[in-house]
Amino acid sequence: KNEVEQSPQNLTAQEGEFITINCSYSVGISALHWLQQHPGGGIVSLFMLSSGKKKHGRLIATINIQEKHSSLHITASHPRDSAVYICAGTLINTDKLIFGTGTRLQVFP
Amino acid sequence: DAMVIQNPRYQVTQFGKPVTLSCSQTLNHNVMYWYQQKSSQAPKLLFHYYDKDFNNEADTPDNFQSRRPNTSFCFLDIRSPGLGDAAMYLCATKREYLNEQFFGPGTRLTVL
Repeated sequence: KNEVEQSPQNLTAQEGEFITINCSYSVGISALHWLQQHPGGGIVSLFMLSSGKKKHGRLIATINIQEKHSSLHITASHPRDSAVYICAGTLINTDKLIFGTGTRLQVFP
Repeated sequence: DAMVIQNPRYQVTQFGKPVTLSCSQTLNHNVMYWYQQKSSQAPKLLFHYYDKDFNNEADTPDNFQSRRPNTSFCFLDIRSPGLGDAAMYLCATKREYLNEQFFGPGTRLTVL
C-alpha cells in the first residue's frame, strides 16, 4: 500500500483551465515535495513545503498538516505544463523520499 | 550554475555487459542518491551516501554496485545488466539536515 496517494492519476485540460492535483499521505513526513517530470526527462523540484502555501509564477502549492493533504494548483494552464507531477514526502527522521504514483497531465491547445 | 550532471544521458548496453553510469555535482552536497525509475513508475531508491558512508536498500539487487571516490562524483555500476534493468537512472543530492533534493537529468539505459 503506497503511503503517498495522488489523484487523479491522469488529467487532461484545455489551455487556460485551472488545474488541481491532490496528494494525501499517511506517514510522518518532515517536508512535502512537488516534482515535475516531462516525458523522457529528469525530475525538477517545484516546491518543498512543510506548512502553509507557496507560489511560483502560475503554480501554487498548499499543505494542511493536520489533514495530511497537499494540493498543487496550476492557473492558466499551458501545453508546456504537460508532464507528470509527483508528490513526495521526506520521511521524518530520515533523508529518504517516499513517492506518490504521479499524475499525468496533458494540456491541449 | 551549481547543478547535478549525469553522463551519459542515454546508454545502450548488451545483456550481461557491465555498464557504469556517472553523476557529478557542483553543489558540494554530502548526501547523494541513486534511483531507478521504470516506465510509468515512481523512482525507487537503490542506495545513498552520507559522504563516503554507503547505505544500501535491502531490496537492491547485488548486481548493482556504487562508488563515490569524492564528494563531487558518484558512479553506478551494473555488473551484468538484464533486460529488466532497462530504466531511467536518476542521481540526486542534498545537504544533510536539509530536505530538498536536487535531481540530475537522468540516464536512460537500454539493454539489448
